[in-house]
Amino acid sequence: EAQVTQNPRYLITVTGKKLTVTCSQNMNHEYMSWYRQDPGLGLRQIYYSMNVEVTDKGDVPEGYKVSRKEKRNFPLILESPSPNQTSLYFCASSYRASTYEQYFGPGTRLTVT
Amino acid sequence: SQQGEEDPQALSIQEGENATMNCSYKTSINNLQWYRQNSGRGLVHLILIRSNEREKHSGRLRVTLDTSKKSSSLLITASRAADTASYFCATDRDDKIIFGKGTRLHILP
Repeated sequence: EAQVTQNPRYLITVTGKKLTVTCSQNMNHEYMSWYRQDPGLGLRQIYYSMNVEVTDKGDVPEGYKVSRKEKRNFPLILESPSPNQTSLYFCASSYRASTYEQYFGPGTRLTVT
Repeated sequence: SQQGEEDPQALSIQEGENATMNCSYKTSINNLQWYRQNSGRGLVHLILIRSNEREKHSGRLRVTLDTSKKSSSLLITASRAADTASYFCATDRDDKIIFGKGTRLHILP
């Protein structure tokens, strides 16, 4: 089954404790991205990747890191989480670039206290 | 920065009626997409319309695109309870994808 998986689905952590949210897709998609969703603000793109070893900033990249060492995986790293990063995070992938439909993961609800 | 802005923010209609929501954007685009989200779950792609297309249909969905007005509309005909969800438009800017804030649609029984 074609899908995007994210782990963990729920995470509660404390300020400053480094964490990684994993994202994996099994569709051989080139384009992957991370979004955060906050009430009243919709989805905002954090980082995206056009292909392996090619990543770029979205609209809200501050406080986040990503890497794309393999085509299928695109982890999101929070080196020093802060309470303003409490949000619902989505990973998504598409066949190529931003001109194709995106497939979304189920989301990761992160709470930073 | 938000590229797409949906209107209205919320919409309640009776089951069986048609629902129309609009999206406006600011800069030129290659394509515009509509997505549905059920209650905090992952978004599901509904339809993609390219900048050289004016109208597209998929089942009960009809999307129009007016590039001169930088706007798009999504029409859902013969609404059902299962259509209750949030609907988002998304546009591309360079290689980024920009989502609007969404329209919350509630179908009343």
